[in-house]
Amino acid sequence: KNQVEQSPQSLIILEGKNCTLQCNYTVSPFSNLRWYKQDTGRGPVSLTIMTFSENTKSNGRYTATLDADTKQSSLHITASQLSDSASYICVVSAQQAGTALIFGKGTTLSVSS
Amino acid sequence: DGGITQSPKYLFRKEGQNVTLSCEQNLNHDAMYWYRQDPGQGLRLIYYSQIVNDFQKGDIAEGYSVSREKKESFPLTVTSAQKNPTAFYLCASSIVFDGKQFFGPGTRLTVL
Repeated sequence: KNQVEQSPQSLIILEGKNCTLQCNYTVSPFSNLRWYKQDTGRGPVSLTIMTFSENTKSNGRYTATLDADTKQSSLHITASQLSDSASYICVVSAQQAGTALIFGKGTTLSVSS
Repeated sequence: DGGITQSPKYLFRKEGQNVTLSCEQNLNHDAMYWYRQDPGQGLRLIYYSQIVNDFQKGDIAEGYSVSREKKESFPLTVTSAQKNPTAFYLCASSIVFDGKQFFGPGTRLTVL
């Protein structure tokens, strides 16, 4: 069964600290992996998209890594800011007829001052 | 939100009533999608459309209907057959099917 598991479920960090969010998946055949940021009550916004051949991709203070062998991805946030408080969603796309985007439940990050 | 709009932002409905959620995009995207988001759950696909005049059921299509008469518009109707319609509904679009998706701001539907 295609699944995307994210950890931790929630996280609280102090402003200025770094953090890493995890995503494990069992999606096959794999097409790409996406990270989205969703502010409360808003639609998700794309941070990164990685294909099988990409190991890392950065978007400002956000760096995503992908290990296709172990089927794991991480999202590293550097020098966190209060505006980073949001839910971070990992989404894996499967190669098959019809759309097969499998969404994780997200990690809720709270950055405090 | 990038060129994709949803209205209304909040919607209240009495049990037994149909209600239509609007989704419009000016990004010239071919593909559009409707998702439902419940607390503590991942997004679930309701319907998607790869191109105008075409749409396909997603994972949880029962109790919902859509139309795609114009490229820019993909309205979702929540019918009285949907047993638990209270949720946050998100519309998205992408240049091509299964491409990078841009999401609208969402509509929060509450059934009274």
